[in-house]
Amino acid sequence: EIVLTQSPGTLSLSPGERATLSCRASQSVSSSYLVWYQQKPGQAPRLLIYGTSSRATGIPDRFSGDGSGTDFTLTISRLEPEDFAVYYCQQYGNSPRTFGQGTKVEIK
Amino acid sequence: EVQLLESGGGLVQPGGSLRLSCAASGFIFSTYDMSWVRQAPGKGLEWVSTISDSGGRTHYADSVKGRFTISRDKSKNTLDLQMNSLRAEDTAIYYCAKDARYCSRTSCYSSDWGRGTLVTVSS
Repeated sequence: EIVLTQSPGTLSLSPGERATLSCRASQSVSSSYLVWYQQKPGQAPRLLIYGTSSRATGIPDRFSGDGSGTDFTLTISRLEPEDFAVYYCQQYGNSPRTFGQGTKVEIK
Repeated sequence: EVQLLESGGGLVQPGGSLRLSCAASGFIFSTYDMSWVRQAPGKGLEWVSTISDSGGRTHYADSVKGRFTISRDKSKNTLDLQMNSLRAEDTAIYYCAKDARYCSRTSCYSSDWGRGTLVTVSS
């Protein structure tokens, strides 16, 4: 199965700053079949990005995704207070679908 | 609006059984694959099982294969997960999730999630 490794584990930033989250796969992810989710404490995950770079319905354009092969990135251009959360990547190019271990974006 | 409401969680002893259910509304249930994904306390997400839109195909994570059974009832718009031979490592929040319309040939992601139900396996 494909192992996804996210870095950093925790990102400490201030509102208004730019956040760059990394997701690295143990082998190439077919056709860029990669998504990003946001999860806040006590809540279910929320789909942000699918197909590496397409924003899900209702997701603001400060969220963007990029990458290919084994290296993928989620960028939040300017952090809003509601963006502080845990972010997970997940690949769906191979079975089973697998998740990264998460990156926590916390207020500095 | 898509709504997914899980029920059936609780405390169970090791070796015991539990049946989770998910009531779906706000979309045409019979046209989407559905999945269960779990999250151990303070940990990340782990895919558990998926059932096809027709119910004819099921897939399981190796960690639950042979112990868990996923099923769906299109007349009631419900998704179930029968969990047998439960272990301490099955302790988690179990999320019901609606898979996306367009996926790869072998796997998928979930576009909508319920709020989850907590399963605790402990003596």
